[in-house]
Amino acid sequence: GAGVSQSPSNKVTEKGKDVELRCDPISGHTALYWYRQSLGQGLEFLIYFQGNSAPDKSGLPSDRFSAERTGGSVSTLTIQRTQQEDSAVYLCASSARASGGLNEQFFGPGTRLTVL
Amino acid sequence: AQSVTQLGSHVSVSEGALVLLRCNYSSSVPPYLFWYVQYPNQGLQLLLKYTSAATLVKGINGFEAEFKKSETSFHLTKPSAHMSDAAEYFCAVSDTQGTGGFKTIFGAGTRLFVKA
Repeated sequence: GAGVSQSPSNKVTEKGKDVELRCDPISGHTALYWYRQSLGQGLEFLIYFQGNSAPDKSGLPSDRFSAERTGGSVSTLTIQRTQQEDSAVYLCASSARASGGLNEQFFGPGTRLTVL
Repeated sequence: AQSVTQLGSHVSVSEGALVLLRCNYSSSVPPYLFWYVQYPNQGLQLLLKYTSAATLVKGINGFEAEFKKSETSFHLTKPSAHMSDAAEYFCAVSDTQGTGGFKTIFGAGTRLFVKA
């Protein structure tokens, strides 16, 4: 079946502009994650959605970052007033919440964001 | 709170030599542990996972990892490195009891170089 898809694959924007990154998870997966991968850094957790529960936003670096998940499926990560330090690859992953909580994550190809 | 520490951001081995990538974790509850691999210009994919069924876990491409509770470690090994193993490897820990909403925390990653 189809995997996790993300769009756009690349985004170049000017400092101060807003950007929206989209993630389409695997159908039926109830959990959705956003991560940021900067050059030389590991995966930085941003936000986590699980079903209809309130999202875990503990990883969002500032109030310029926000995310929503509509209808329990597609998610959009929005970065307002982008800064150069926001340049990174933004990864989305989804998982099926099985009994006992085993949650192997399936990753999308990422969106490479460059802020000039 | 959960955390993951990967010792060594870069590891270099010769082809045919033993691969050892170190991972230590902290978790207040029994964890699920994962190793993910990211090949050049590809997305992350699951290499193996520990779910408490067996302490020695075998994964794809000849990799295995051993869960040692007393050492809070989950080191990744492969007896004989192949050039195709060159990639970035991420250790990750997830809460089994839902107290953290099954959020997964990733280590900073270890880049493996394989010399001919």
